Amino acid sequence: RKEVEQDPGPFNVPEGATVAFNCTYSNSASQSFFWYRQDCRKEPKLLMSVYSSGNEDGRFTAQLNRASQYISLLIRDSKLSDSATYLCVVNKGTGGFKTIFGAGTRLFVKA
Amino acid sequence: SQTIHQWPATLVQPVGSPLSLECTVEGTSNPNLYWYRQAAGRGLQLLFYSVGIGQISSEVPQNLSASRPQDRQFILSSKKLLLSDSGFYLCAWSRAEAFFGQGTRLTVV
Repeated sequence: RKEVEQDPGPFNVPEGATVAFNCTYSNSASQSFFWYRQDCRKEPKLLMSVYSSGNEDGRFTAQLNRASQYISLLIRDSKLSDSATYLCVVNKGTGGFKTIFGAGTRLFVKA
Repeated sequence: SQTIHQWPATLVQPVGSPLSLECTVEGTSNPNLYWYRQAAGRGLQLLFYSVGIGQISSEVPQNLSASRPQDRQFILSSKKLLLSDSGFYLCAWSRAEAFFGQGTRLTVV
């Protein structure tokens, strides 16, 4: 079993739609969780951290379920510019040791 | 603020040639450093990580090696490239979240 698993998609949604991605992780000792965004042929960039209590940044909401070992990302009111690959990231220590990336979920937002 | 530099941006190398990719970090000390590879249309594969000078951990057996001669310098090398070494190589540093260099797109021909 992979340490971090994501549905590769692609998710094809119209502008204005709400879309959600889930990610599961296998190591219960994982301590830090993040969502990254990667545009085609570019490096991944941090989108948001995921906190135990859940957190929101504008149209983006991230949640963590430690009991079931999954994190989620919700995007509301999708924009064309949201089209990208979204990577789920887990690491085992607060020092960033052994950061593991999921393979990513591709999102296409269409007019 | 912290910055990470990775070069070159693109590289075309013949099979059997050596490789050296360099990554440097500024604005932080004793960072955790990583080399990842991403094949076309695939996810990130962790190749090496380092928690300090001279400390390198390899995740997968391969034709590559890494070194950390200075605190903020991380080098990815190969003595003889294979066609299968082609890909997008990314250096990253982290404390909690990871920050990436712009990547090197390597094509072995």
